[in-house]
Amino acid sequence: DAGVIQSPRHEVTEMGQEVTLRCKPISGHDYLFWYRQTMMRGLELLIYFNNNVPIDDSGMPEDRFSAKMPNASFSTLKIQPSEPRDSAVYFCASSLASGNEKLFFGSGTQLSVL
Amino acid sequence: AQTVTQSQPEMSVQEAETVTLSCTYDTSENNYYLFWYKQPPSRQMILVIRQEAYKQQNATENRFSVNFQKAAKSFSLKISDSQLGDTAMYFCAFMKHWGAQKLVFGQGTRLTINP
Repeated sequence: DAGVIQSPRHEVTEMGQEVTLRCKPISGHDYLFWYRQTMMRGLELLIYFNNNVPIDDSGMPEDRFSAKMPNASFSTLKIQPSEPRDSAVYFCASSLASGNEKLFFGSGTQLSVL
Repeated sequence: AQTVTQSQPEMSVQEAETVTLSCTYDTSENNYYLFWYKQPPSRQMILVIRQEAYKQQNATENRFSVNFQKAAKSFSLKISDSQLGDTAMYFCAFMKHWGAQKLVFGQGTRLTINP
């Protein structure tokens, strides 16, 4: 298996622009997570899905952030409009159904908002 | 809510030495999992070792071992015979045993292995 695949690896954009981050989880995994990593706040859970359904989005910072999972093999995290304080590394992770606690992380997307 | 604390922002040791990274956590749960993740400069999050709270025996993976003290809510990582490739950020993380597999991370310890 290729593991969790994220794209793009790097994204540079200007303030006010829309940004879309993409994730392909490991085939057969039931859970998908979006994490954000910053120097100030460390690794934070933004939202997670179970069987394509959003379960907990309490970590999503504000309405500018939205996440979707239209099918079992694809998820997006969108920021509109983007702001400089959104600059961070965004990780996607996936895991099997509850009872198997191993999360597999993608390589992350480094987002820079100028 | 659960919290994870890593009190050592940075550590540095010589190659082949043994190093111990500290982690404490706070929870009211009785059953849970604890993890150490490694993040090298490549940015990839790599699972190093995990511990199930209901097991008293400390987990071991080759050169990596943990000292799990449930009553003290302490979970330290020992790296024996350290290698240059061990240079990375190390994160301690907590997960409830039941329900969603949400990981709560500590702030990380930057470990440098010097030649």
